[in-house]
Amino acid sequence: AQSVSQHNHHVILSEAASLELGCNYSYGGTVNLFWYVQYPGQHLQLLLKYFSGDPLVKGIKGFEAEFIKSKFSFNLRKPSVQWSDTAEYFCAVNAQQAGTALIFGKGTTLSVSS
Amino acid sequence: DTGVSQNPRHKITKRGQNVTFRCDPISEHNRLYWYRQTLGQGPEFLTYFQNEAQLEKSRLLSDRFSAERPKGSFSTLEIQRTEQGDSAMYLCASSREFQIGTEAFFGQGTRLTVV
Repeated sequence: AQSVSQHNHHVILSEAASLELGCNYSYGGTVNLFWYVQYPGQHLQLLLKYFSGDPLVKGIKGFEAEFIKSKFSFNLRKPSVQWSDTAEYFCAVNAQQAGTALIFGKGTTLSVSS
Repeated sequence: DTGVSQNPRHKITKRGQNVTFRCDPISEHNRLYWYRQTLGQGPEFLTYFQNEAQLEKSRLLSDRFSAERPKGSFSTLEIQRTEQGDSAMYLCASSREFQIGTEAFFGQGTRLTVV
């Protein structure tokens, strides 16, 4: 069965600090990987996704993530966070060929102070 | 495209009562998913449909839970004999026919409080 681990439960940063959120998944086959964001009071929105090709993927709002197959990792990064990045971030995976439902990690709450 | 719509947004019910939630997916999406999210947790998969066929159910989906998608459009999730442990946000998502990299679009959710 697939599973996703997000290492940081709550991250607190000042504006302009760099961000890296860890995500590791457990699955033996080929996967699709996603990062979703949930801003306060809003629904889950896709930040970025990886399914093939360049392992460094760029998403919206200056976010990027790197897929490292050997480490089963898909860490999210942003060089300089803004107050508006305060949100909850979820890593998710599904089996690429089977088309199964997304399995989510527990999420990381990011608080950015201005 | 108005996104995934869920109704009601909030529901407060007494323990033991039945509740039903509705999800209207994005119109051209033939996959529909239900998730449950509790405080401090990520969304937990409950079940999903491809058109009207329910293809997968999680072990989280006890006998008190039933989901339908009768015409392959909107879906309902019913919880019978609600318990306090059912209090959660119930999320619906939809996606196109599966292709590699297909993403799911989420609704705002229905927050259930069982008192």
